[in-house]
Amino acid sequence: EAQVTQNPRYLITVTGKKLTVTCSQNMNHEYMSWYRQDPGLGLRQIYYSMNVEVTDKGDVPEGYKVSRKEKRNFPLILESPSPNQTSLYFCASSLSARVYNEQFFGPGTRLTVL
Amino acid sequence: KNEVEQSPQNLTAQEGEFITINCSYSVGISALHWLQQHPGGGIVSLFMLSSGKKKHGRLIATINIQEKHSSLHITASHPRDSAVYICGWRGGGSQGNLIFGKGTKLSVKP
Repeated sequence: EAQVTQNPRYLITVTGKKLTVTCSQNMNHEYMSWYRQDPGLGLRQIYYSMNVEVTDKGDVPEGYKVSRKEKRNFPLILESPSPNQTSLYFCASSLSARVYNEQFFGPGTRLTVL
Repeated sequence: KNEVEQSPQNLTAQEGEFITINCSYSVGISALHWLQQHPGGGIVSLFMLSSGKKKHGRLIATINIQEKHSSLHITASHPRDSAVYICGWRGGGSQGNLIFGKGTKLSVKP
C-alpha cells in the first residue's frame, strides 16, 4: 500500500531533550516536506526537500533540523525542544516539486513539550 | 503573514444544503490545492487546479487565476462531509515552498 508513515504518533517530552520524528514514504517520491499545525494558524511549512541531499527552509524553520540522506526518509530533528514546539506535525510527499503533483500526507505526530 | 485567505472560518449547514468555501490569494500562482482534514486528523488531497473547474463526486472546485480566487462547492451536503477544508499553493520552478490558508471548519448537521 502506497503510504507515508510517521513515528511516533504521540510523544510527550520535556524541554531540552533531543528528539527525532521519523517520516518514510514508499512511493519513490522526490519531494518531501514537514508541516506543523496549530489552532488559528493552520498548516505551516517547516522544511522541504526537493530530492536527496537537497533541503530548504519553509516558513517556520527555527528550532528544527532535517536531513535527506535517502529518498524514502526525511526525519525531523528537534535538538532542544521547547514548549512553543508543542504542535501537531505532518510529513508529506509528492512525486516531484512540480506544482501539479498531489501531496500525500502522513497520519500526523502529536508532540507535547513540557 | 499569510498569503492565502479562506472564508468563512467556520460553517454549519443542514444536510442537503449547497455549500461554498472561498479561497483568495495575493500572489500569481500556477496551481492551487484543496485538502480535506477529517475530524480524526488525517489529511487528503482533493483537487489541484490551474484553471476552470474540476469535479469529483459531489465536490466541485473552481478557480479564476486573474481574480486570484478559488471556490470549493459541495452539493447535497452530508454529515460525512464534516471536516476542515484547506486551500494552498506551491511556488513554481525552483521554489518548493507550500503556503496554506488557515482552513474552513465545516459541520453538516443531519
